[in-house]
Amino acid sequence: AQSVTQLDSQVPVFEEAPVELRCNYSSSVSVYLFWYVQYPNQGLQLLLKYLSGSTLVKGINGFEAEFNKSQTSFHLRKPSVHISDTAEYFCAVSDNFNKFYFGSGTKLNVKP
Amino acid sequence: GAGVSQTPSNKVTEKGKYVELRCDPISGHTALYWYRQSLGQGPEFLIYFQGTGAADDSGLPNDRFFAVRPEGSVSTLKIQRTERGDSAVYLCASSFGGSHTGELFFGEGSRLTVL
Repeated sequence: AQSVTQLDSQVPVFEEAPVELRCNYSSSVSVYLFWYVQYPNQGLQLLLKYLSGSTLVKGINGFEAEFNKSQTSFHLRKPSVHISDTAEYFCAVSDNFNKFYFGSGTKLNVKP
Repeated sequence: GAGVSQTPSNKVTEKGKYVELRCDPISGHTALYWYRQSLGQGPEFLIYFQGTGAADDSGLPNDRFFAVRPEGSVSTLKIQRTERGDSAVYLCASSFGGSHTGELFFGEGSRLTVL
């Protein structure tokens, strides 16, 4: 089985500042990694994913994440956030697409 | 609509009652998932369907929970003898099962409150 840890439950940041949302996972097998975003009153939607290849992956809305196998991490970054990025972000892992394990989420609060 | 549709969006019931939650996936998606999200937690896996069959139901917490997908499209999650601890948002997601890209398409969820 796998598990995901998102240590930061809330991250406050000012508009146009950079942000990093941390995600660590544990697994005894190779995994695929994902970041989902949930805007208020909306369903979760995929931000980006790592399946194979380059460890730096780029997603929608200027977000990127880097897969670090040795540190079992998949941190999400954005160089300059906007008010519209205020949402809850979930990291997830899966080894076979049958079952996805999600972290407990990080609420990003972008302040003007 | 083109997205995953879940009904009802809100359901309030009394302890001990029976509840059904419906999920209408994106047309053509063969894979369907049910997750449960409790307050302050991330989605927790319940069950995964590939077509009509439950390929993995290891997340169902006990035998009060059951899900069906008789024609490989719409799915219903059924909860018998509801308990207060069943209160949560129940999420449905679908995806292309045959050539899975790993992307799940989620509905907005059904919020269940057991009084």
